[in-house]
Amino acid sequence: AQSVAQPEDQVNVAEGNPLTVKCTYSVSGNPYLFWYVQYPNRGLQFLLKYITGDNLVKGSYGFEAEFNKSQTSFHLKKPSALVSDSALYFCAVREKPGGSYIPTFGRGTSLIVHP
Amino acid sequence: GAGVSQSPSNKVTEKGKDVELRCDPISGHTALYWYRQRLGQGLEFLIYFQGNSAPDKSGLPSDRFSAERTGESVSTLTIQRTQQEDSAVYLCASSSDGQNTDTQYFGPGTRLTVL
Repeated sequence: AQSVAQPEDQVNVAEGNPLTVKCTYSVSGNPYLFWYVQYPNRGLQFLLKYITGDNLVKGSYGFEAEFNKSQTSFHLKKPSALVSDSALYFCAVREKPGGSYIPTFGRGTSLIVHP
Repeated sequence: GAGVSQSPSNKVTEKGKDVELRCDPISGHTALYWYRQRLGQGLEFLIYFQGNSAPDKSGLPSDRFSAERTGESVSTLTIQRTQQEDSAVYLCASSSDGQNTDTQYFGPGTRLTVL
């Protein structure tokens, strides 16, 4: 069975400061990991994904995430937050071939960037 | 190119009425997913279509919910005898072939309000 946890319902950060949105996962084998962002009254937009290779994945809008197998984590990061980054962020996981084609999503973390 | 579209964007109905929600996936995408997102909650998987295979209906919450897909194009989600707890945003997503590495592309959602 696959699961994902986003331990923080809300993250507050000042504009210009670095931000981290946490995600941990549980799978039987090896994971495929995804981050999506949802702006108000919009659908989810893809940010980045980890499939294999380099543990540091770079994505859209200056975001990056680091896959840490020993800690089963895939935290989303950005060096300098913008007010426009304020949105709802979802982490998702799928197991590698042989697992479900249906990803499991976390509950979401609301990121608020203060001017 | 055109993304995933959903209609209507908003639907207000009375308890007990039937509603039909529509999703137009990205052209050429063989995989299609329906999710429900209740206010302040994460994504709840409902149903998954992949090509001409039998759909995975494991997420449908009751027999009042059903969905169809015509070939690899439009899908409709039908909710019969709507209840107030059905109020939510219904999101549709498509991906190129439903593989574990696939990125999902989401529509803007249909906000359903049951009075």
